Amino acid sequence: DGGITQSPKYLFRKEGQNVTLSCEQNLNHDAMYWYRQDPGQGLRLIYYSQIVNDFQKGDIAEGYSVSREKKESFPLTVTSAQKNPTAFYLCASSYDRGRKAFFGQGTRLTVV
Amino acid sequence: SQELEQSPQSLIVQEGKNLTINCTSSKTLYGLYWYKQKYGEGLIFLMMLQKGGEEKSHEKITAKLDEKKQQSSLHITASQPSHAGIYLCGADWVNDYKLSFGAGTTVTVRA
Repeated sequence: DGGITQSPKYLFRKEGQNVTLSCEQNLNHDAMYWYRQDPGQGLRLIYYSQIVNDFQKGDIAEGYSVSREKKESFPLTVTSAQKNPTAFYLCASSYDRGRKAFFGQGTRLTVV
Repeated sequence: SQELEQSPQSLIVQEGKNLTINCTSSKTLYGLYWYKQKYGEGLIFLMMLQKGGEEKSHEKITAKLDEKKQQSSLHITASQPSHAGIYLCGADWVNDYKLSFGAGTTVTVRA
């Protein structure tokens, strides 16, 4: 079945360590997105990519990095420069603007 | 997203009563999307609106997009416990490809 997969579901890291969150889709979607969600809040856009080898900063890109080397994959690295990394991270993909986006089940990152 | 204002932030409704959630954009919309989320899970797509004046319904949920394509409303008729959750509006714009979301509305349905 086609879908979008995020792994792992839960992730624990020590403060000061970089950590990479995985996002894979087999829907043949061109566009992919990363969001952060904090308790009681909506989704805030971190990075997005409309096509392979190209990506743009969203509203809260500081302390994060991404790559888009393959159409299917859009990994997010939370760097030690991110001051408050503990959050719920969601990945999404869509064919293009004006098409509905499909979401993964999320990764809950806890930094201690 | 500051480009999307969603209201109310939360609401409690008695089972069987109606409710409405609003979403206002600061820019002309290309597409407006409504999603539902259970806390700690991914988003479930509800409806997409693109044309000014468009209205779509699915079961007891109706969404509308105003003529100027800057405001949408989501209306639930005769709410049930299954309608409880977080409702989020998302949008992309005429001159911007990013997909942004509002702050969400938490709906509680009381028996």
